[in-house]
This record gives sequence, structure tokens and C-alpha cells, in this order.
Amino acid sequence: NAGVTQTPKFQVLKTGQSMTLQCAQDMNHNSMYWYRQDPGMGLRLIYYSASEGTTDKGEVPNGYNVSRLNKREFSLRLESAAPSQTSVYFCASRTVAGGDNEQFFGPGTRLTVL
Amino acid sequence: QKEVEQNSGPLSVPEGAIASLNCTYSDRVSQSFFWYRQYSGKSPELIMSIYSNGDKEDGRFTAQLNKASQYVSLLIRDSQPSDSATYLCAVNSNYQLIWGAGTKLIIKP
Repeated sequence: NAGVTQTPKFQVLKTGQSMTLQCAQDMNHNSMYWYRQDPGMGLRLIYYSASEGTTDKGEVPNGYNVSRLNKREFSLRLESAAPSQTSVYFCASRTVAGGDNEQFFGPGTRLTVL
Repeated sequence: QKEVEQNSGPLSVPEGAIASLNCTYSDRVSQSFFWYRQYSGKSPELIMSIYSNGDKEDGRFTAQLNKASQYVSLLIRDSQPSDSATYLCAVNSNYQLIWGAGTKLIIKP
């Protein structure tokens, strides 16, 4: 039971390059989330998927796209990377059924855009 | 806009003392509240969840909720150097969690 996994762990891009961050969970959770975290700041929601087949914008969606590939996988794409997208990206998943609906996090992807 | 407020700290506490972390939130209809711990360079991990007014204890940790005052707190008894981390408060809002910016806690040996 791996929980939430993310690939890659580290990535360096040049301005204008594109890349996709991968996330998978094996906990049969309905909802999945992408956050970014900048130094000294809290988590900011980029996009989320409340259930398979749906995606919604969060607080900071500009410059990103997402795909909920199936119940397990939720990917984040940067079409044309900018230095302002240098950050740590966390994927999380959650079940909203029942009382215990906390989010579980992956290990993060540390992205640098030069 | 729904908000969660935390004192950014750092909060410095002597080893063995009680650390008290506070959080206020703006969404009156929120029903679920969470405290996460985040070590430097790591992902957040759940410490406590609380859903009802009052206290909830788990080992050295106690979460306190006062919905009338829209206030959540986390007490850490017998603080250890390993408790040094950033503590994030999160409040449920529909399918999302609204996050505070976190309080950095430093336990001094």
C-alpha cells in the first residue's frame, strides 16, 4: 500500500518548456488535489478533482492544466513553464465519505524553472 | 473569501513545556478541522482531526474546537525537539480544505 506517489521528485526546466507531473493513489479515494507551496507560504490549491470525470479550478490555476485519467491517477501539466512556477508541488487524495475525510499527501515534486 | 489565519511564528518553547498553537477560520458552516505537521523539505502529515466542540486528546496532542468563536487550537504537552516543525491548520469547505499559512514551532533543548 504505497499511498500517494508522485513523479518526478525533482525537475529543472527552461522557460517555455512543458512537462507533466504524475500522481497516483492506491487508497480508492474519490477526490484528488494539486497544490503548490512556495517558501514561507502555505498550500495553494491549483486544481482539484472531486470525483472521477470532474475537475475544477482552485485558487491559482493559471498556467496549468489537469487530467483525471481514472480514479487512481491525476496529472498536472505545465504547457509553457515560467520562473514564477518554481515551487514544490504536492498531490493529495481524500475520501469525502464518512467522518474521516482528511487529505493524504504525496512526497512532492521540487520544480525549478530557469 | 474563506480564510484560515495562523500566527506565522516562530514560536519558541522550551523542551518539556506545553506548546500552544492557534487558528481562526471565517467559514461558519465548516464541520471538519485538521492539524498537519510539516517537517522542512517533507510533505504535510495529519496530526489530529476534530469535528465536535470541545477537546480531543491523542497522546501528547490535544485539539480544541470552539465553533461559536471559530477557533481551533493544538496543544502539545511535554514538547520534544522532534516536535520542531511547521504546523498547518486546515478547515473543510465542500470538497476542499482551506489552509492556514502555518506556524513554525521551535523546541529548545
